[in-house]
Amino acid sequence: GENVEQHPSTLSVQEGDSAVIKCTYSDSASNYFPWYKQELGKRPQLIIDIRSNVGEKKDQRIAVTLNKTAKHFSLHITETQPEDSAVYFCAASTGSNYQLIWGAGTKLIIKP
Amino acid sequence: EPEVTQTPSHQVTQMGQEVILRCVPISNHLYFYWYRQILGQKVEFLVSFYNNEISEKSEIFDDQFSVERPDGSNFTLKIRSTKLEDSAMYFCASRVSGNTIYFGEGSWLTVV
Repeated sequence: GENVEQHPSTLSVQEGDSAVIKCTYSDSASNYFPWYKQELGKRPQLIIDIRSNVGEKKDQRIAVTLNKTAKHFSLHITETQPEDSAVYFCAASTGSNYQLIWGAGTKLIIKP
Repeated sequence: EPEVTQTPSHQVTQMGQEVILRCVPISNHLYFYWYRQILGQKVEFLVSFYNNEISEKSEIFDDQFSVERPDGSNFTLKIRSTKLEDSAMYFCASRVSGNTIYFGEGSWLTVV
């Protein structure tokens, strides 16, 4: 079945700098790749997603890139702010039911 | 904005007891999911449900677990005989027909 690897597990960046989180997936049939932000004790919140027919997608300070050949996708956050501090999860959707297989998460710490 | 709602938000139960977690998906959604997240770990897929039947389930979803949509609005997860390792946050989720999955706030289950 699908397996999603996510790196790094913890990322600490200075406020205003960029943060990049990377994920790889194993199932070439996966076709949907969302990113979720989770604050402590809260539900995962979708922040951006990309489908396999697109290589890059941007929404203000957040962008996602997808390399289908290499089976990896990345989250880019520019001009980081304190409120960006959270755990970020990547996921890959496989199968007709679109159940999500999740990465292990990255704790993003924004230093003031 | 419509939301997936879950009850209870927190439940403490004795090992061996049965637990029912309840969810009300967004009203026009057709696909329903349960995920769980053990404290500090990644989100794990349990089961997907469509057209009044299980469409897919993970290895975690063994005979101790069952799901039901008893009345066309609620979607329940039952754990027959809880174990200590069932302690986790359980998230219900739903989607209409596209990829985007909407999560509830979660039910925190503590087995003692």
